[in-house]
Amino acid sequence: AQKITQTQPGMFVQEKEAVTLDCTYDTSDPSYGLFWYKQPSSGEMIFLIYQGSYDQQNATEGRYSLNFQKARKSANLVISASQLGDSAMYFCAMNPSRRDQFYFGTGTSLTVIP
Amino acid sequence: DTAVSQTPKYLVTQMGNDKSIKCEQNLGHDTMYWYKQDSKKFLKIMFSYNNKELIINETVPNRFSPKSPDKAHLNLHINSLELGDSAVYFCASRLDRGIVGPYTFGSGTRLTVV
Repeated sequence: AQKITQTQPGMFVQEKEAVTLDCTYDTSDPSYGLFWYKQPSSGEMIFLIYQGSYDQQNATEGRYSLNFQKARKSANLVISASQLGDSAMYFCAMNPSRRDQFYFGTGTSLTVIP
Repeated sequence: DTAVSQTPKYLVTQMGNDKSIKCEQNLGHDTMYWYKQDSKKFLKIMFSYNNKELIINETVPNRFSPKSPDKAHLNLHINSLELGDSAVYFCASRLDRGIVGPYTFGSGTRLTVV
């Protein structure tokens, strides 16, 4: 079975601080992709960052980095230097190699405090 | 230019009606999807198409029928709408069916059945 778990329904962070959003996954597929998406209050889904299961290095995209710990099956998103515009829902997703679909977590609502 | 466009953005209709949501992508992607986001923000796949061919058909009532006239379009028709169909429906596309590429999402259609 494929499963994504985001255990933090809501998080608060002070502006300019770093924040880590947790994500764990479960899959029996030997290869898979891990993704993070941002959904602001306007509703659109914005792709942030990708990590492949065979990638040796953690992915980074600007202020976003993915802390990938394969043995622990975790793929946490780290946002550095938080900005007010980072306030949104954040979804972790996994795409196992044997099935062409994303499995999403339940999301974490991040609020950046000025 | 909008990469994945969905229309309409909002749809309010009465129970029992039939409605359609249109989706078009201009990215040259081969694969398109429909996802449903429920009131708790949980995203789940409904259908996927690859080059006009149905690949995934999740446990969705047969009142929902996707149509893909060409690989750039994937429309969703819903018959006999029910209150429980109220949700946000996202169209998405992807270059191929591998695990590497992220989805590009449309902006979503908020369907309200009254």
